[in-house]
Amino acid sequence: DAGITQSPRHKVTETGTPVTLRCHQTENHRYMYWYRQDPGHGLRLIHYSYGVKDTDKGEVSDGYSVSRSKTEDFLLTLESATSSQTSVYFCAISGGPRGTTAQYFGPGTRLLVL
Amino acid sequence: DAKTTQPNSMESNEEEPVHLPCNHSTISGTDYIHWYRQLPSQGPEYVIHGLTSNVNNRMASLAIAEDRKSSTLILHRATLRDAAVYYCILRDVGGSQGNLIFGKGTKLSVKP
Repeated sequence: DAGITQSPRHKVTETGTPVTLRCHQTENHRYMYWYRQDPGHGLRLIHYSYGVKDTDKGEVSDGYSVSRSKTEDFLLTLESATSSQTSVYFCAISGGPRGTTAQYFGPGTRLLVL
Repeated sequence: DAKTTQPNSMESNEEEPVHLPCNHSTISGTDYIHWYRQLPSQGPEYVIHGLTSNVNNRMASLAIAEDRKSSTLILHRATLRDAAVYYCILRDVGGSQGNLIFGKGTKLSVKP
């Protein structure tokens, strides 16, 4: 199994509170992704990173920011959590963006914003 | 991105083979065919991918039609642990962003 961990695994927070989710990999993969999964929408890309300090927006990036200061860590921050950000968040890693490479996912973080 | 079409659900008996179909009639010559699955309450899991030739690994086999407009994921002996949602996804060989675009997938149920 690919070495990907996410923390915390579960979190309950209140509206307006900042929240940071962490993704940690031991595979030295260059690409890292944050997705959210909601009923009826499948997985949607929030942000991704193609190297240290190199990040870009995905389909549903509003309200989220990311940082990557080390190859192994990719942080997702909700600056001021809203109830619409209640979701399951998955981190993924890949050796590259091309069709020849697979993506490997973490176990997910369940976030509930009250 | 080219679109894929999969049945919403399928049923199988334990220890029997399962053939999960995927149609991708608008596939381009540079699209790889990827399969992922998601077990209940877990993250998606990579299964297999291929371009033109059939592919085998420890989890499954991928059979690709000669015209590449369809493919079939084959689980040789289904187990209860194979009950999951299976996603067929196309990825361009020259992709720059590289994110996966998930459809609704096929929910596979395995009966003992």
